[in-house]
Amino acid sequence: KAGVTQTPRYLIKTRGQQVTLSCSPISGHRSVSWYQQTPGQGLQFLFEYFSETQRNKGNFPGRFSGRQFSNSRSEMNVSTLELGDSALYLCASSLGTGRLIYGYTFGSGTRLTVV
Amino acid sequence: GENVEQHPSTLSVQEGDSAVIKCTYSDSASNYFPWYKQELGKRPQLIIDIRSNVGEKKDQRIAVTLNKTAKHFSLHITETQPEDSAVYFCAAEAGNMLTFGGGTRLMVKP
Repeated sequence: KAGVTQTPRYLIKTRGQQVTLSCSPISGHRSVSWYQQTPGQGLQFLFEYFSETQRNKGNFPGRFSGRQFSNSRSEMNVSTLELGDSALYLCASSLGTGRLIYGYTFGSGTRLTVV
Repeated sequence: GENVEQHPSTLSVQEGDSAVIKCTYSDSASNYFPWYKQELGKRPQLIIDIRSNVGEKKDQRIAVTLNKTAKHFSLHITETQPEDSAVYFCAAEAGNMLTFGGGTRLMVKP
């Protein structure tokens, strides 16, 4: 069973540019959550998508957006990049239904560097 | 929403000693509490979890305890080894999403 796949693994962008990151969940998982992790920091929740709808959102500016497709693959977009956006972006997928979070599994992440 | 606090932020132990990491949560409706281990440069991986109908769960050298009344849960690692060195995250489930603690950097000295 394939795991959570994130592409690309590494990315270097210039301030002011925009970037799109992709996450393919485990087959059958309908929920995809995105996190930002900066050096020495914890997992800062960005947003969660379930069945193509944003179900939860963290405290990030509107420059951070996302979407989910009918096959549950998700993309997140960051516009007008700032140096502080340099981070490891992790996505996690789960079944997303029911009271408990079954099989919440992380991808390997995309390391974004803004110069 | 849910708020999860994790202590300590760093923990250094001698190989063979025990390590304990504690978390508190705010939402009394939370009933699923996983723990993740993140080694340097790698993704967080689930190492153990506990559901609210259970007070303790063990898996070899790792155990988790839950006190729903006090709203806190703890990770216990016995006979620590250098390969246990990593960042550990606790989490609590509420509203179909996980809220994570700030992480604990565990260093096991040989």
